[in-house]
Amino acid sequence: DTGVSQDPRHKITKRGQNVTFRCDPISEHNRLYWYRQTLGQGPEFLTYFQNEAQLEKSRLLSDRFSAERPKGSFSTLEIQRTEQGDSAMYLCASSFTSRIPNEQFFGPGTRLTVL
Amino acid sequence: AQKVTQAQTEISVVEKEDVTLDCVYETRDTTYYLFWYKQPPSGELVFLIRRNSFDEQNEISGRYSWNFQKSTSSFNFTITASQVVDSAVYFCALSVYGNNRLAFGKGNQVVVIP
Repeated sequence: DTGVSQDPRHKITKRGQNVTFRCDPISEHNRLYWYRQTLGQGPEFLTYFQNEAQLEKSRLLSDRFSAERPKGSFSTLEIQRTEQGDSAMYLCASSFTSRIPNEQFFGPGTRLTVL
Repeated sequence: AQKVTQAQTEISVVEKEDVTLDCVYETRDTTYYLFWYKQPPSGELVFLIRRNSFDEQNEISGRYSWNFQKSTSSFNFTITASQVVDSAVYFCALSVYGNNRLAFGKGNQVVVIP
């Protein structure tokens, strides 16, 4: 399978715990994005990387959130001290690098439930 | 800041009927790009179409067509002869030149009844 993959697909955790999600983009893609989607809403941008550099972060990304892409391939998104408001679907996408916005290819998402 | 509004929430149609989804956008940028994505029950967003702000020519691709009107800041999407497999949430999204982040609307839930 050569699409974007995410792991795990589902995560249930207790409030206050830390969680980490992984995203493997399409191998030829330089750019990797993280979005969050809550029930009944469209995805909201969190952050994106070009290769290993994190180029932009949304104000939605509080200090409890951190994302890395250490070797310019896979990425991890960590949420520390989870809160019930963090419950959402976390989507990863990748694309080629271009000044013109290209189509982004999305993974299946990680659904987080904070109890 | 970019904003996308999809006013309709759920639309139900009988199979083979056409369905049109409305999208209104806001941006101060003169160069921007509009997208439609489909999110089936499996959850994975699927790219459908992209249009840039300089090209208002409306097109048809298979059963999909779109109507882009800069004068009203609208980018409407039509599915012709709907099929049950078209049942999904459809998102309109906006991005501006030099910035790849997508701003999504809230989506339209399309239900095609056999």
